[in-house]
Amino acid sequence: SQTIHQWPATLVQPVGSPLSLECTVEGTSNPNLYWYRQAAGRGLQLLFYSVGIGQISSEVPQNLSASRPQDRQFILSSKKLLLSDSGFYLCAWSAFISSGSGHEQYFGPGTRLTVT
Amino acid sequence: AQKVTQAQTEISVVEKEDVTLDCVYETRDTTYYLFWYKQPPSGELVFLIRRNSFDEQNEISGRYSWNFQKSTSSFNFTITASQVVDSAVYFCALRNNFGNEKLTFGTGTRLTIIP
Repeated sequence: SQTIHQWPATLVQPVGSPLSLECTVEGTSNPNLYWYRQAAGRGLQLLFYSVGIGQISSEVPQNLSASRPQDRQFILSSKKLLLSDSGFYLCAWSAFISSGSGHEQYFGPGTRLTVT
Repeated sequence: AQKVTQAQTEISVVEKEDVTLDCVYETRDTTYYLFWYKQPPSGELVFLIRRNSFDEQNEISGRYSWNFQKSTSSFNFTITASQVVDSAVYFCALRNNFGNEKLTFGTGTRLTIIP
């Protein structure tokens, strides 16, 4: 079965510090990968998605970046955090299954980031 | 452009009551997919159901049921005999048939079941 991991689970960082959040998927190959942010009490905002190694699409302009160095690894980074970067970051994966039951996204446990 | 509207921001019901969460969507695509996710207090989003635009059959899974009506662009979710464990934020989402599989989420409905 497939599993998705995110770490760290929680993070408190000062303004201006760098950021690196990691997401890995097990049990599947060539998944689509996604980074979402959820601000407190708000909906989900898609930040980045990737359909393959080295292929990153950005949805919103910001001081964040994403990379996919391996098939099942997705990293969210920042060189200098802003207060507005605080939120709950969720990684997700999806993969087409030949039976036609695919396409839904499965989410990781999330990372709660507080920028102070 | 795609849009998902969940007009109910918060709902509270007493345990064992039935509750319906509304979802209205907008899309120009003829082929699309609709989803419901549950976000319990732990934060992880749990996939509940996927429905494609060609399948308007309602679905029942235990105490959960979904009513998809293309005529009104709605995909409502009903919980029968609610339980405290149903307390969560519920998100409706829409995806078009393009290859990138991006989901457009509604803003969510916070459901509280009062014991």
